[in-house]
Amino acid sequence: ETGVTQSPTHLIKTRGQQVTLRCSSQSGHNTVSWYQQALGQGPQFIFQYYREEENGRGNFPPRFSGLQFPNYSSELNVNALELDDSALYLCASSEGLAGVEQYFGPGTRLTVT
Amino acid sequence: GQSLEQPSEVTAVEGAIVQMNCTYQTSGFYGLSWYQQHDGGAPTFLSYNALDGLEETGRFSSFLSRSDSYGYLLLQELQMKDSASYFCAVRGRGNTPLVFGKGTRLSVIA
Repeated sequence: ETGVTQSPTHLIKTRGQQVTLRCSSQSGHNTVSWYQQALGQGPQFIFQYYREEENGRGNFPPRFSGLQFPNYSSELNVNALELDDSALYLCASSEGLAGVEQYFGPGTRLTVT
Repeated sequence: GQSLEQPSEVTAVEGAIVQMNCTYQTSGFYGLSWYQQHDGGAPTFLSYNALDGLEETGRFSSFLSRSDSYGYLLLQELQMKDSASYFCAVRGRGNTPLVFGKGTRLSVIA
């Protein structure tokens, strides 16, 4: 059973640029959620995808967008990067929308300068 | 919406027992989860309570009181490797997303 993987591990971007982060869900999981985690804080929900459709969105502006593919892998895109976007971005997969246990990937550390 | 409160830090001695509390406010309630996160690592699932009472998994136990909107995670026989951040998270009804608290940073000392 393959766990959740994310790429890249680390990324440095300049303010105003765009970034795409990728996530492969655990085998058999059809739901992917994305979280932003600032240093010393808990993960904050960005949005969730279920069977390629967005199903729920947190308090993040539209420049945060995503996709889920037929194999249930997912992308997070952030446009017009701001300094405050610097954080750890976590992807988690689960079995269905009401899946109790979320399996997290190792995250992508994004630094915006 | 949902909000959760957790103490920011707790320190405990190796071999002892520690309890980490979580109070929550939510417009609907589906369950309370606990996750552990070591520095530089990903959150990992520890336990889930949907009903009142205590759930035990080895050295870890989690308790929920729905009437008090309160839960706690109990760690027994503390080990140095238990030093980590512990997050409680709630999910409301209707497949709403998981909302995390800010976490309690546990330091286990010799």
